[in-house]
Amino acid sequence: GAGVSQSPSNKVTEKGKDVELRCDPISGHTALYWYRQSLGQGLEFLIYFQGNSAPDKSGLPSDRFSAERTGGSVSTLTIQRTQQEDSAVYLCASSLEGLAGGPYEQYFGPGTRLTVT
Amino acid sequence: QKEVEQDPGPLSVPEGAIVSLNCTYSNSAFQYFMWYRQYSRKGPELLMYTYSSGNKEDGRFTAQVDKSSKYISLFIRDSQPSDSATYLCAMRRRTGFQKLVFGTGTRLLVSP
Repeated sequence: GAGVSQSPSNKVTEKGKDVELRCDPISGHTALYWYRQSLGQGLEFLIYFQGNSAPDKSGLPSDRFSAERTGGSVSTLTIQRTQQEDSAVYLCASSLEGLAGGPYEQYFGPGTRLTVT
Repeated sequence: QKEVEQDPGPLSVPEGAIVSLNCTYSNSAFQYFMWYRQYSRKGPELLMYTYSSGNKEDGRFTAQVDKSSKYISLFIRDSQPSDSATYLCAMRRRTGFQKLVFGTGTRLLVSP
């Protein structure tokens, strides 16, 4: 079946511009995550959506970053007034998620490579 | 200090070698330990996971967890050029929000 898809695959933008990154999770997956992967930094958690619960935004690095998930499916990560340090690969993952027990494998998309010039 | 430490490599080995990849961590609340493999320009994919301490084997791959030392390992036997990728360890608590904490990843190069 279809995996997690992300668009665009690459995005080059000028400093100060806003960007929107899109994630289509696996159908039926209740949980959706955004991560950022910078060179030599590993994956950094950004935000987590679970069903109809309020999202966990504890990983967002600044108020320039926001995300929404419409209808429990597609998610958009928005970065306003982009800075050069925002350059990274933005990864989305989805899973069948409970509140306790089980590792609940996270399935990752291919990522969006963002370059801020 | 990061919650999870992992040597970034690169680690270069000849085909057929045994590879040992390791992570250390500081949070004793972690109960699930995972290894992800990431090929260039792709998203990570889950290789193996282990709950609490012990060993788990899957084909050429063996995962080990030593909670007393806060140390986890992934062994790859008879390494193949197709194993060349970045290997990320990840871990999470058993209950509550299932946030994964990742290591920085170790880049592995297996030469023919």
